[in-house]
Amino acid sequence: KQEVTQIPAALSVPEGENLVLNCSFTDSAIYNLQWFRQDPGKGLTSLLLIQSSQREQTSGRLNASLDKSSGRSTLYIAASQPGDSATYLCAVTQGGKLIFGQGTELSVKP
Amino acid sequence: EPEVTQTPSHQVTQMGQEVILRCVPISNHLYFYWYRQILGQKVEFLVSFYNNEISEKSEIFDDQFSVERPDGSNFTLKIRSTKLEDSAMYFCASSADRDSSVDTQYFGPGTRLTVL
Repeated sequence: KQEVTQIPAALSVPEGENLVLNCSFTDSAIYNLQWFRQDPGKGLTSLLLIQSSQREQTSGRLNASLDKSSGRSTLYIAASQPGDSATYLCAVTQGGKLIFGQGTELSVKP
Repeated sequence: EPEVTQTPSHQVTQMGQEVILRCVPISNHLYFYWYRQILGQKVEFLVSFYNNEISEKSEIFDDQFSVERPDGSNFTLKIRSTKLEDSAMYFCASSADRDSSVDTQYFGPGTRLTVL
């Protein structure tokens, strides 16, 4: 059974800092891996999708990597801003459904 | 940009009552999903739906749950007799494809269900 784990559970950084969020999964038979952003009480916004054959994807200040063989992904956020404060969720697509980690709650202090 | 919409945004109900949560998926999408997130817990898959039938369902999706696509645009989740533990945020999602490495599921804003 696929398990997705994210560490740390929470992270607080000063504005401007670069940071890395981690995601691990137990079964490498995935179609893709996605990073989502969730603001309090809101829905899920897809940030980046990495296909199973890819190693990384970039969008603006965000860079996500995927190492399928070791079951790991990282989300790198450059030059963090207070507006980046949110919960970041990692999810893998397997068997027609998304399987989510528990998220990392990020707080960027001005 | 097309988006998934959900109504209501918040539903409060008494234990034992029936509720229907509504979703309008993106118009050219063929696959529809419901997920839920109990406060402080992971987002969990409930059910997927394609070609007017359930493709897959989780252990959570027991006989008190049902889904329907009553017309060409709406997709509903019905909970027949709500329990306190059904209180959660329910997300609808849709996708053009399934088991695709390039495709993504698009999520609605969610319906917060509170069972008293």
